[in-house]
Amino acid sequence: DAKTTQPTSMDCAEGRAANLPCNHSTISGNEYVYWYRQIHSQGPQYIIHGLKNNETNEMASLIITEDRKSSTLILPHATLRDTAVYYCIVRVDYGQNFVFGPGTRLSVLP
Amino acid sequence: DTGVSQDPRHKITKRGQNVTFRCDPISEHNRLYWYRQTLGQGPEFLTYFQNEAQLEKSRLLSDRFSAERPKGSFSTLEIQRTEQGDSAMYLCASSPGTRGETQYFGPGTRLLVL
Repeated sequence: DAKTTQPTSMDCAEGRAANLPCNHSTISGNEYVYWYRQIHSQGPQYIIHGLKNNETNEMASLIITEDRKSSTLILPHATLRDTAVYYCIVRVDYGQNFVFGPGTRLSVLP
Repeated sequence: DTGVSQDPRHKITKRGQNVTFRCDPISEHNRLYWYRQTLGQGPEFLTYFQNEAQLEKSRLLSDRFSAERPKGSFSTLEIQRTEQGDSAMYLCASSPGTRGETQYFGPGTRLLVL
């Protein structure tokens, strides 16, 4: 079973920041938080991952709370092409499959 | 930069036929994963390889399913005696097998069993 809970859907205006929350209250100390997204009919695309510290790359920022029980993915300037299903996954270091939940369907509106 | 590739991208078959899908991982990635995704759901894990060794299989992988990775490079997933319930997107992912690894997914093979 997925170890995360996410809202089913969210809307965001084009050009604004999209903040996608994820709860992972049972996360273990050695589990990473990963974010992927899936645009219709394509394979999941890696966005970002982190363990304890906040992370930023060219696609997004990941903010993890100090107690690690929740995190937020931030797309700083959402575009129409960011419309997708976003998956938050927790997983130990390596050697294990990802357990995907239903994700959050983000709609970026013009 | 060559990503994960899968072939074919689409497959339509009749119930009872056998089908085989191929996955070519990113070069030098020693881990390869297969997932299945049905409409409206997230991907579900099927099996994974470390080089040529199949190390884990999901309960979803019935005895009609078999996966191989004979030389530790490309992999095949075969479904025998297909059923309508096998209709899904079959996704392949690969990872380098290093600490904090990330899995990179291919575009998937969409199977429709009539």
